[in-house]
Amino acid sequence: DTAVSQTPKYLVTQMGNDKSIKCEQNLGHDTMYWYKQDSKKFLKIMFSYNNKELIINETVPNRFSPKSPDKAHLNLHINSLELGDSAVYFCASSRPREGVTEQFFGPGTRLTVL
Amino acid sequence: AQSVTQLGSHVSVSEGALVLLRCNYSSSVPPYLFWYVQYPNQGLQLLLKYTTGATLVKGINGFEAEFKKSETSFHLTKPSAHMSDAAEYFCAVNPLEGGGFKTIFGAGTRLFVKA
Repeated sequence: DTAVSQTPKYLVTQMGNDKSIKCEQNLGHDTMYWYKQDSKKFLKIMFSYNNKELIINETVPNRFSPKSPDKAHLNLHINSLELGDSAVYFCASSRPREGVTEQFFGPGTRLTVL
Repeated sequence: AQSVTQLGSHVSVSEGALVLLRCNYSSSVPPYLFWYVQYPNQGLQLLLKYTTGATLVKGINGFEAEFKKSETSFHLTKPSAHMSDAAEYFCAVNPLEGGGFKTIFGAGTRLFVKA
C-alpha cells in the first residue's frame, strides 16, 4: 500500500491554465504539507495543514490555493499558471504532536508549464 | 532564525570509499535532526533521525550520523560507498517550535559514486 500518493505524476499545460494536484495519505497522520522543488533540487515549504486547519502559509502567490477536505487529503489548486511554476511538487505528511516529526513524502508531481 | 547548511553541493567518491556528507545547523534550542535521501524521480525518504539520547544514530543502508552539539553538526557517513548510494541527500532540522510542524531543509548534496 502506498503511504502518500499524488496524482497526477506528470502535468504538462499551457501558461494561463488552471490545474490541480491531489494528495492522499493512509498513515493516519494529521499534518500534511506541500513543497516545491526547483531544478536545483532546492526544497521550499509552501503550505501545511493540521487537522484541516492551515498552519503554515509561506510567501506563495495567491494563485496557489490549498484545500484539505479531511485529514487524509490535501489538494493544491493553481490558477493562471506561469512559466516559473514549472517544478516538482511534493506532498508530505507527519504527526508531530505524537512525536512523528519525520515527514513521509509522496512520489512528486512534475509540472511543466509551456 | 534556524537554518541548515550542507557543505558541498556535489560530492564524488569511489566505490568502496568512505562517504562523508557535512551538515551544520543553527538553532536556539537542541532540535530534532534528520537525513533524507532522494533517488532520481522519487520522493524523499528518511535515512535516519536524531531526537534525544545517543548522539550516534544508525539508519538504513549502512548510513550513520553523529550529533555534535558543540559543533552544531550532524554529518552523515558510510564506511563503504556502493553504486546504489548515488542520490541527492538532504539534511533537515525541526526546531520543535510552535508544535514542531515546520522542518527546515538544507540545499541538498548530490553524491556521485565512481566505479
